[in-house]
Formats: sequence, structure tokens, C-alpha cells
Amino acid sequence: GQNIDQPTEMTATEGAIVQINCTYQTSGFNGLFWYQQHAGEAPTFLSYNVLDGLEEKGRFSSFLSRSKGYSYLLLKELQMKDSASYLCAGTDSNYQLIWGAGTKLIIKP
Amino acid sequence: IAGITQAPTSQILAAGRRMTLRCTQDMRHNAMYWYRQDLGLGLRLIHYSNTAGTTGKGEVPDGYSVSRANTDDFPLTLASAVPSQTSVYFCASSDGTEDTGELFFGEGSRLTVL
Repeated sequence: GQNIDQPTEMTATEGAIVQINCTYQTSGFNGLFWYQQHAGEAPTFLSYNVLDGLEEKGRFSSFLSRSKGYSYLLLKELQMKDSASYLCAGTDSNYQLIWGAGTKLIIKP
Repeated sequence: IAGITQAPTSQILAAGRRMTLRCTQDMRHNAMYWYRQDLGLGLRLIHYSNTAGTTGKGEVPDGYSVSRANTDDFPLTLASAVPSQTSVYFCASSDGTEDTGELFFGEGSRLTVL
């Protein structure tokens, strides 16, 4: 089957680092997306990984291992505004996105 | 405006009624999509359009129809609403295909079917 798994909820402290994991099982994989979604708002694009390795964008980094079907989103120097859901999405054999249910990240002072 | 506009923002609808959710983008993107988002589930694709004049079915198309008469507009119609269609609906667009291009989302339409 085709599946995207990510933790339902995580809690972290302001100023700290958090890693949100995502595992995927899809036939026909092109790449993996991460989106951020604040409560009651639209998802917004964070990153897209096609090749293995780590891609850094400011405080946010995303990692992909195609052989392991695994990705993670790393958030550094956490700020209260980073409290949101983080959505992982990968492609299936029909080249359509399969979305995880999202990880709700709670930041505590 | 720049981006995607959805209307209405929120709607309560009686079961059996017809409803059209509107979506307009001004980015001249070729591809447009309709998703529904339900608690505890990932975004699920309802219908998509890779270019004006063409549409395709996504993962959960039953009970929904779309049209793409021009590049900018992509309305979603519920012919006869049922309570299971209570959800938050997001319209999105991209200048590539769904699996390679960044998706830009509208603010969502919250629909409640009673």
C-alpha cells in the first residue's frame, strides 16, 4: 500500500531544536514536500527534497533518504510562531501527492 | 490581490442542497486542485486540472464535480450535499505538476452539511 506516517503531536521548548520525522511507502516516488499549516490557515510550502541529503533554509532544514523511505524536518532556534502543523507529502505511482495527517508542534516558553 | 481566492469562507448547508465553492487564481498557473482536509487525515485530492479545458479525478471524487473553462477559475460543485461532505476545502494551484511544483493554497472554505 501507499502510506505516509508522521507523529501526531510533538512538544518542544522555545529556543530549542526539534526534529519531525516522516516515513513513506509509495510506488513511484519523485520527491518529498514539507508544508507548514497554522491553525485555521492554509498550508504554506517549506521544502522539496528530490535527492538524498540535507537541505538547509535558514532555521529550517529537510533531510531525505530515498533508500530508507525516510525524511525529517529540523527546526532550530524555535520560536513561538513555529507552533503549527507540519505536513509531509510524497508522490505515488500516479504522480499525485499522498499527504500525511500532519504533526502538530506545540512550542512552550 | 496576488494568489488564490476562495469563496465562501464558511457555509452551513442543508443536506440535499447544491453548493458551488469558487476558486480564482491570478498567478496564471496551469494546474489547479481541490482538496478536502478532515481531522486526523491528510489532505485528500478531490479533482484536479492540469490545464484549462481538462480535468481529472483524484482520490475522493464521488459527489463532486469541477470545471475549468479558463486558466483562472476552478469551481467545485456538490450536486446534492451529504453530511459526510462536511469538511474544510482547499483550492490550490501550481505552475508545474502536483508532484514537482510548489502548491499555493487558498485560505479554505469551511463547509458544514446538516
